[in-house]
Amino acid sequence: NAGVTQTPKFQVLKTGQSMTLQCAQDMNHNSMYWYRQDPGMGLRLIYYSASEGTTDKGEVPNGYNVSRLNKREFSLRLESAAPSQTSVYFCASSGTRANSPLHFGNGTRLTVT
Amino acid sequence: SQQGEEDPQALSIQEGENATMNCSYKTSINNLQWYRQNSGRGLVHLILIRSNEREKHSGRLRVTLDTSKKSSSLLITASRAADTASYFCAPSTGGGNKLTFGTGTQLKVEL
Repeated sequence: NAGVTQTPKFQVLKTGQSMTLQCAQDMNHNSMYWYRQDPGMGLRLIYYSASEGTTDKGEVPNGYNVSRLNKREFSLRLESAAPSQTSVYFCASSGTRANSPLHFGNGTRLTVT
Repeated sequence: SQQGEEDPQALSIQEGENATMNCSYKTSINNLQWYRQNSGRGLVHLILIRSNEREKHSGRLRVTLDTSKKSSSLLITASRAADTASYFCAPSTGGGNKLTFGTGTQLKVEL
């Protein structure tokens, strides 16, 4: 039982390049989330998906797109990376029952130069 | 959802001592959750306390909630070096599970 798996673990991009961060969960959770964590800023929600086929914007969605490919997978795409997107990105999932805790992956550390 | 504010920002104690960290929030909540983050890892859920609960225990963890003061505290008793981590609170208004996290309390437990 792997929980939430994120790939890659590390990535360096040049400004303007694109990439997709992958996330998969094996807990049969309906809800999935993408957060970014920056020093002094806490974790901020980028996008979330309450169920397969639905996605909604979080607090900081600009510059990102997401795809809920199926119930297991939720990907985050940067179409044209900017230095301001240098961050650690976390994917999480949760059940639909009220008060279900979030289960996090171990993050992708992205540097945009 | 709203963001909690953890206090202090950093805490350094000796192994065996108790560690207390606090969380304040602004509006009424449905529940409040505490998470731990070890260096280089994702957050791990520790405990959830509902708005109608005043205190909850889980192993060496004790969480209190004072809804009149809009605050919560997390007590770790008999701390160990392995408790060294950042701790985050996440107040939830119950609108789904979209949680917002502050900057956390960085706890260092020294041998």
